[in-house]
Amino acid sequence: QKEVEQDPGPLSVPEGAIVSLNCTYSNSAFQYFMWYRQYSRKGPELLMYTYSSGNKEDGRFTAQVDKSSKYISLFIRDSQPSDSATYLCAMSDVGGGADGLTFGKGTHLIIQP
Amino acid sequence: AAGVIQSPRHLIKEKRETATLKCYPIPRHDTVYWYQQGPGQDPQFLISFYEKMQSDKGSIPDRFSAQQFSDYHSELNMSSLELGDSALYFCASSLPREGVKAFFGQGTRLTVV
Repeated sequence: QKEVEQDPGPLSVPEGAIVSLNCTYSNSAFQYFMWYRQYSRKGPELLMYTYSSGNKEDGRFTAQVDKSSKYISLFIRDSQPSDSATYLCAMSDVGGGADGLTFGKGTHLIIQP
Repeated sequence: AAGVIQSPRHLIKEKRETATLKCYPIPRHDTVYWYQQGPGQDPQFLISFYEKMQSDKGSIPDRFSAQQFSDYHSELNMSSLELGDSALYFCASSLPREGVKAFFGQGTRLTVV
């Protein structure tokens, strides 16, 4: 079993819909939780990061972490066709160090115009 | 704004050959990470460097080695290439003690034939 599980999709929703992307994890030592967006043949782009449990909002994006359930979510409001990409969750037990991140497999999101 | 620069963008090698990938971090970023992303896979952490010293090691094969130079650029050396080494290789960089805010380069696509 991978440390981080993420449904690969594809997830197809109409433009303007609220999108919910999720990851579960097994390593209780994870303290930092990130969401990356990756367009085809491009490098991952950091969208948001959250420390420990709680919510964080940035524009149309909201990240939620529930450490008790080992479950994290990314919500996208008013989804746009330009949001179509692969969304990767990533986690780390050390926020300030130089340790590598553990990624999920990514969810391929398609926003239909 | 300056981003992480990787070269070459594409590389084709034959089995058993060697390859060298280069990464130039964002100015003032002294921490560099290398990731391997196979087709349809999540990025797998290989190795990281902080202040020119190896900081963390992931699933890097013994055939691979890396180093960080005095100007903070990094090189990933891959020898005895195998077909399974075909992947996207990403480099990421971050400021000191901000590993969760790593910025990724565009990647080098290595194809081993």
